[in-house]
Amino acid sequence: AQTVTQSQPEMSVQEAETVTLSCTYDTSESDYYLFWYKQPPSRQMILVIRQEAYKQQNATENRFSVNFQKAAKSFSLKISDSQLGDAAMYFCAYRTRDDKIIFGKGTRLHILP
Amino acid sequence: AAGVIQSPRHLIKEKRETATLKCYPIPRHDTVYWYQQGPGQDPQFLISFYEKMQSDKGSIPDRFSAQQFSDYHSELNMSSLELGDSALYFCASSSIKDMNTEAFFGQGTRLTVV
Repeated sequence: AQTVTQSQPEMSVQEAETVTLSCTYDTSESDYYLFWYKQPPSRQMILVIRQEAYKQQNATENRFSVNFQKAAKSFSLKISDSQLGDAAMYFCAYRTRDDKIIFGKGTRLHILP
Repeated sequence: AAGVIQSPRHLIKEKRETATLKCYPIPRHDTVYWYQQGPGQDPQFLISFYEKMQSDKGSIPDRFSAQQFSDYHSELNMSSLELGDSALYFCASSSIKDMNTEAFFGQGTRLTVV
């Protein structure tokens, strides 16, 4: 069974600084998708970025980028130039071959002004 | 752009009552997922539907049932409600046919059982 592990329950970063959120996963599948979702205090789930496992190039969306290490089964999220609006819970997620999405436990990110 | 619509946004029920949550996916999305997120918890997968057929089942109690209708909207029916059912219930939709692999989430229904 696939699992997703986020080892950092909480993190803090100074505004305008860069922070990296860690995520590791376990799977026997060779083709899959990985995602980072943001959940602000409103509790809505917002897609931040996605990565196709067959692509070696790391995905980037504006200030958000990932470091995808397929062999190590690692999928970290880097947030550059952190802004107050980035404060949220961040969930790493894996999409299985039968289209179920498995979430990690989440990392709560605090932005310090 | 149209998003996933969930109704109601908030629901308060008493123990042993029944609740029905509705989800309207993004147009042309063929897959619907239901998740339950307890306070301070990560979302837990309940059940999913692809083309109106149940495609996968997670940790959904027997007291819960769900279905996807011909217009692709889905309903989660919860009976004999318990205090522990109080949670945020998310619906998400995606399109496998279009290779659109993101799941877009609705805003959730906050269920409080008293």
